[in-house]
Amino acid sequence: SYELTQPPSVSVSPGQTASITCSGDKLGDKYASWYQRKPGQSPVLVIYQDTKRPSGIPERFSGSNSGNTATLTISGTQTMDEAGYYCQAWDSNTAIFGGGTKLTVL
Amino acid sequence: QVQLQESGPGLVKPSQTLSLTCTVSGGSISSGVYYWNWIRQPAGKGLEWIGRFSTSGSTKYNPSLKSRVTISVDTSKNQFSLKLSSVTAADSAVYYCARESFGSNWSSFDYWGQGTLVTVSS
Repeated sequence: SYELTQPPSVSVSPGQTASITCSGDKLGDKYASWYQRKPGQSPVLVIYQDTKRPSGIPERFSGSNSGNTATLTISGTQTMDEAGYYCQAWDSNTAIFGGGTKLTVL
Repeated sequence: QVQLQESGPGLVKPSQTLSLTCTVSGGSISSGVYYWNWIRQPAGKGLEWIGRFSTSGSTKYNPSLKSRVTISVDTSKNQFSLKLSSVTAADSAVYYCARESFGSNWSSFDYWGQGTLVTVSS
């Protein structure tokens, strides 16, 4: 079965750039989405179709996808961005999620 | 703005059937321009897609759960439901319902319910 692999944790200082990767076989041939989940809250879509931001998502969130890796980049990271981030793609009509990355801003 | 709200028992006994309902407001599930999904997250683990349906008649389930899952719809109430049979402790999780927007070759989950915790225990 298809798998998406994310680092369990990433740390960044406020104002710096955070990059979270998501790896999967030929992931670049699929579309990747990214979701932010804060404790006690439901997930929020922050990137879809590899690079697009839904309405209301700050411009500091961006995405890319090529080869075997999709990347979520947060520029000028703020303390409010501390959360879990999950990548997602479709394979054989099944939605696959990565294991999630906890972003710590300190 | 569309809103989704899960409801159902928070405690289910092992071997019984878990039943949850998602009520959609702010939009009609009959419009046919979205898919409607169930997704879950066990404590300390990642998200797991359970399945989806569209009012055009297409239903898809996660192969790992397919034998135990049924997703149905009640358009008169603007609701859709999840039934998961023969549950075990491994089915304990926060269950979310979510709307899926899609294009010609892409889709994403753009609206989620707040989630409901279901514990499987005797």
